[in-house]
Amino acid sequence: AQSVSQHNHHVILSEAASLELGCNYSYGGTVNLFWYVQYPGQHLQLLLKYFSGDPLVKGIKGFEAEFIKSKFSFNLRKPSVQWSDTAEYFCAVNRGTSYGKLTFGQGTILTVHP
Amino acid sequence: DGGITQSPKYLFRKEGQNVTLSCEQNLNHDAMYWYRQDPGQGLRLIYYSQIVNDFQKGDIAEGYSVSREKKESFPLTVTSAQKNPTAFYLCASSEDRAGTQYFGPGTRLTVL
Repeated sequence: AQSVSQHNHHVILSEAASLELGCNYSYGGTVNLFWYVQYPGQHLQLLLKYFSGDPLVKGIKGFEAEFIKSKFSFNLRKPSVQWSDTAEYFCAVNRGTSYGKLTFGQGTILTVHP
Repeated sequence: DGGITQSPKYLFRKEGQNVTLSCEQNLNHDAMYWYRQDPGQGLRLIYYSQIVNDFQKGDIAEGYSVSREKKESFPLTVTSAQKNPTAFYLCASSEDRAGTQYFGPGTRLTVL
């Protein structure tokens, strides 16, 4: 069965620090990849997505992610975090053969101290 | 103003009772999904529906049931057979085959 793994359960950073959240998946075929974010008290919302093409994708609020096919990874990055980035981040994978279904990672809680 | 609405926001239920969670969307999406979110476990798929009058079990369907009589609506019933129903339930709809999903605000169910 396909699984999605996020390496860190809780990451704590100071403002202006750089961020990288890891995501690996176990399925070897065609995949579509997503990062979602859940700010405290808010809806889960799409941060960025990768379907094909340039493996470096840019999302909202200065986030980007890089798809490395050989490593089955889709890590999320941000050069300089802000206090407002405090949230829970979820990586999700759609198998290309699976209409619209997503498998989510366990989530990473990011806490940014001012 | 397009989006997904879920009601109620908080729900309390006694053990042994069935309860139905509402999900409505006005995004004109064909596909809709129900997830359960527990701390440290991410989101797990309960049921999904790709089209009206059709739905499929997800990874953790036991103790749940759904219906899809209208495109806009996808209610979830948590039955008394669900062993551990206390959780945060999220509804989503999808605009494409690739899985771009939009989520509602969620319903927090507590079984007393």
